[in-house]
Amino acid sequence: DTGVSQNPRHKITKRGQNVTFRCDPISEHNRLYWYRQTLGQGPEFLTYFQNEAQLEKSRLLSDRFSAERPKGSFSTLEIQRTEQGDSAMYLCASRRDRGPEKLFFGSGTQLSVL
Amino acid sequence: GNSVTQMEGPVTLSEEAFLTINCTYTATGYPSLFWYVQYPGEGLQLLLKATKADDKGSNKGFEATYRKETTSFHLEKGSVQVSDSAVYFCALSSTGFQKLVFGTGTRLLVSP
Repeated sequence: DTGVSQNPRHKITKRGQNVTFRCDPISEHNRLYWYRQTLGQGPEFLTYFQNEAQLEKSRLLSDRFSAERPKGSFSTLEIQRTEQGDSAMYLCASRRDRGPEKLFFGSGTQLSVL
Repeated sequence: GNSVTQMEGPVTLSEEAFLTINCTYTATGYPSLFWYVQYPGEGLQLLLKATKADDKGSNKGFEATYRKETTSFHLEKGSVQVSDSAVYFCALSSTGFQKLVFGTGTRLLVSP
């Protein structure tokens, strides 16, 4: 396993700009998850995919957030019209369906909205 | 809905001290329970898990027992090391493992 890869590691943007993050899961992991973590808190679930299908979205995910996984491999998370409250660490995780109950996490993308 | 409550940190211990980090949960059905660890500058890693009542998960000297009667999954280690300094997250997954629900995390600081 080469691990879950997230890019970029850090993103600084101005309020109102759009940002996009990428996640490359472990190959053959057909489930892919996005979480958000703010300082001093645990990861909060945002959404997950099974292959290219987005199966669940949290109520935390406002209309400004959109996630895609067009070919069932990598995924992108886009935030439109960023707000200061969007500043957080965005985590991606993956696992194999019917595999062990274990999520493999990437190192995250740290977003700072100025 | 499903939720996890952890003791607040930081927990500060001297090397070789005994560690307990409390975790309780609220869930419907038969959740699986997990402890994840986040070392400084690294991603979350699974430390141990238990999938049914009375199961004990263990790894690297850490243990936790799934107690359905008290809805708890406390993390313990008999003798901590400086290298155990990290943030520990308790988590649960609903039946069928659709997603993980995490607690707020407990920071452990171990001094020599």
